[in-house]
Amino acid sequence: GAVVSQHPSRVICKSGTSVKIECRSLDFQATTMFWYRQFPKQSLMLMATSNEGSKATYEQGVEKDKFLINHASLTLSTLTVTSAHPEDSSFYICSARDRAANTEAFFGQGTRLTVV
Amino acid sequence: GDSVTQMEGPVTLSEEAFLTINCTYTATGYPSLFWYVQYPGEGLQLLLKATKADDKGSNKGFEATYRKETTSFHLEKGSVQVSDSAVYFCALSVNSGYSTLTFGKGTMLLVSP
Repeated sequence: GAVVSQHPSRVICKSGTSVKIECRSLDFQATTMFWYRQFPKQSLMLMATSNEGSKATYEQGVEKDKFLINHASLTLSTLTVTSAHPEDSSFYICSARDRAANTEAFFGQGTRLTVV
Repeated sequence: GDSVTQMEGPVTLSEEAFLTINCTYTATGYPSLFWYVQYPGEGLQLLLKATKADDKGSNKGFEATYRKETTSFHLEKGSVQVSDSAVYFCALSVNSGYSTLTFGKGTMLLVSP
């Protein structure tokens, strides 16, 4: 299947700093990308959906000013957690699909964020 | 709203044992149903899917049947291997194709030799 690369796989940051997570589609055009968050022993919760060249659509309860999503190209989307706090510590995972080709969504490896 | 409930893990089995991981759902309309697998250190991979009632999805020896009457999509495998050790996620989508997925919490499977 298609490959989605997410980086970094783990990151530890200090409270108050910002962290950027990258999600790249390596061999297809990702017209749509999804960002999920997973708390321990919980489901993956959709945070936002972004279409290339457009602003992201955030799910209810997700702060768009805190979780900045950029999807400026067909192969790259970034999630920036701004002014991170310990409660932002979580597992973040992206997925990408080629909407025009109506393919399934392919997932990245996920990023474990720990805010200390 | 839409939701997926799957059995809590970890599920611990010996090699060649029979596997069942239960999954039930609530949804408006007629959802498509999926099982994803996440091997250690990797992203989620689509394992199998079913798009309408009574459909059976199958892949790599795993099977799941879309049961509308019981709103279930249980995952089964007749003989597990150590290499099947992973986290399994049941999911649904009520939009066309794979647009928005609602996931269960995931079930860890540990298979010992």
